[in-house]
Amino acid sequence: GAGVSQSPSNKVTEKGKDVELRCDPISGHTALYWYRQSLGQGLEFLIYFQGNSAPDKSGLPSDRFSAERTGGSVSTLTIQRTQQEDSAVYLCASSLEGQVNTEAFFGQGTRLTVV
Amino acid sequence: GESVGLHLPTLSVQEGDNSIINCAYSNSASDYFIWYKQESGKGPQFIIDIRSNMDKRQGQRVTVLLNKTVKHLSLQIAATQPGDSAVYFCAERNNAGKSTFGDGTTLTVKP
Repeated sequence: GAGVSQSPSNKVTEKGKDVELRCDPISGHTALYWYRQSLGQGLEFLIYFQGNSAPDKSGLPSDRFSAERTGGSVSTLTIQRTQQEDSAVYLCASSLEGQVNTEAFFGQGTRLTVV
Repeated sequence: GESVGLHLPTLSVQEGDNSIINCAYSNSASDYFIWYKQESGKGPQFIIDIRSNMDKRQGQRVTVLLNKTVKHLSLQIAATQPGDSAVYFCAERNNAGKSTFGDGTTLTVKP
């Protein structure tokens, strides 16, 4: 597709279960970001992939959170043993690597609810 | 560490008035700044950008001003309309290509 695609759009899970969130970036975009946004709040940086470089994981809130990016394209954010405070909208964005003067394009997000 | 923050969390304006949304950034090495608009239930969308070698850039009804001396960025919206109601984020991009976002300002336009 033409834009960043995220799936699922909504996910309800029980506390303690693992979840996987998927992001398909724009074709040709090798930089990819994951952000978390709680209701009425700003964007909390989680992780950043840029080409073949080691990802910047400095924003991951705990070791329950992990992300990978296979083949430099699709990315999966995994949350293990989910907690209620993990409930939020998880946003993915992509941009052109090495191009400073280009914006990031966002997906619609995955709304995660942990019950 | 790097941070980009907004001065005001909320802004309420009358329809037809001009709006000014402010942003402070801390990384003086950032090369590129962007404003995003996020409507309810959607991801942020690009509005306008500005490079660090500029101090003003105009778009359709929007103007971005950059003051590198005090590390301040602002977004001006002319003749604000109800459709402008949203959360506005500023972001800075460093020379490694990584974006850092501010906390966001909620703009409410009153009819």
